[in-house]
Amino acid sequence: ETGVTQTPRHLVMGMTNKKSLKCEQHLGHNAMYWYKQSAKKPLELMFVYNFKEQTENNSVPSRFSPECPNSSHLFLHLHTLQPEDSALYLCASSQEDGFYGYTFGSGTRLTVV
Amino acid sequence: AQSVAQPEDQVNVAEGNPLTVKCTYSVSGNPYLFWYVQYPNRGLQFLLKYITGDNLVKGSYGFEAEFNKSQTSFHLKKPSALVSDSALYFCAVRQLSSGSARQLTFGSGTQLTVLP
Repeated sequence: ETGVTQTPRHLVMGMTNKKSLKCEQHLGHNAMYWYKQSAKKPLELMFVYNFKEQTENNSVPSRFSPECPNSSHLFLHLHTLQPEDSALYLCASSQEDGFYGYTFGSGTRLTVV
Repeated sequence: AQSVAQPEDQVNVAEGNPLTVKCTYSVSGNPYLFWYVQYPNRGLQFLLKYITGDNLVKGSYGFEAEFNKSQTSFHLKKPSALVSDSALYFCAVRQLSSGSARQLTFGSGTQLTVLP
């Protein structure tokens, strides 16, 4: 285990459902990230939180809503998703300056039906 | 702006042969450089990093990478490939200078297949 835990590992949801992805780290990191990884595409940075404050939102549709209640937990709330949102969603954390790079979770494989 | 290029989508190599996965970068100032590996349906795992010092960096699982400032490259290498090395490899960069974004910029990934 890397120290970054994502749940659930797999999620199948209908387009009208509401679900949440959870990420938890106990590495003492201050920054947390959500990435989307689709087949045959580069990693897409979605959101960045630093000391619980959102510092970046890369033009992500509003059907994705992040929440960071503290430096150890990060959520991604999902509602009215589309089939093209099916992907592997990766959470990562780092020290505030990113000096040692990122530590990634194992991801949540999301399938929208 | 910082960027990373991995010019090969796919690299095939026979088991026991040396392997190289290429990466070039573009940043303003000095770079932090990283290699990550991803196995199917898993997150990215850290392999090695270059911050400063010796241009040859040794990392996990027998991998190493050579930083070449004049060619702005950071190629990943291993003297003798194993079938278990087959995976998706990502190069990443961020700027060293203060005040810059802390985000890593990732390459598009290179699928390495080691043939038995």
